[in-house]
Amino acid sequence: QVQLQESGPGLVKPSETLSLTCSVSGGSISNYYWSWIRQPPGKGLEWIGYIYYSGSTSYNPSLKSRVTISVDTSKNQFSLKLRSVTAADTAVYFCARTSVHCTTTSCYTFRDLWGQGTLVTVSS
Amino acid sequence: SSELTQDPTVSVALGQTVRITCQGDSLRTYYATWYQQKPGQAPVLVIYGKNNRPSGIPDRFSGSSSGNTASLTITGAQAEDEADYYCDSRDSSGNHLVFGGGTKLTVL
Repeated sequence: QVQLQESGPGLVKPSETLSLTCSVSGGSISNYYWSWIRQPPGKGLEWIGYIYYSGSTSYNPSLKSRVTISVDTSKNQFSLKLRSVTAADTAVYFCARTSVHCTTTSCYTFRDLWGQGTLVTVSS
Repeated sequence: SSELTQDPTVSVALGQTVRITCQGDSLRTYYATWYQQKPGQAPVLVIYGKNNRPSGIPDRFSGSSSGNTASLTITGAQAEDEADYYCDSRDSSGNHLVFGGGTKLTVL
């Protein structure tokens, strides 16, 4: 079955760039959207952005100036870069597969598969 | 503040029915999706679209919508249903995703 696994440094210094990769195993990255979502300790979920396997992206407006999401179909991976981090960026970061379902009148998306999450702490 | 509003806490007696709600103007146009999250775990999809359950989700979970409010109903709540529940949907622009603040469900 398809599995997602986040990887990257667990500690990042303030003002530096947070970089994470999500590896997709057991299935192809093609024909799906792929999302990054984060959760500060003890708080709720926050959508960061998503990328289609072809490379088109959409970002949370509140993070857009600092975020880049990219995809490497040859490695079946997608990545997150968050620049100029502060302590407020400390969170568990999840990657998730986003599926699309269309009816005769509309399309909608849902995150049907999630990685286990990785805690990233921003501290000097 | 989130464009989707959820009650922070809800409780239900074991075996009873509970409704968890998600309010937002965008829900007049777009479906809400519901996730269950237990402590230390990743969220799990429980309801998507009009009222669809992924394989493995018990049929005591159901979804509905009216006006600007989407609801997740658990009919006959079990102890293992105690968890945080989140909704997500498009924002008012339709271009981005937004999560509700989450509801902590306690099964008494």
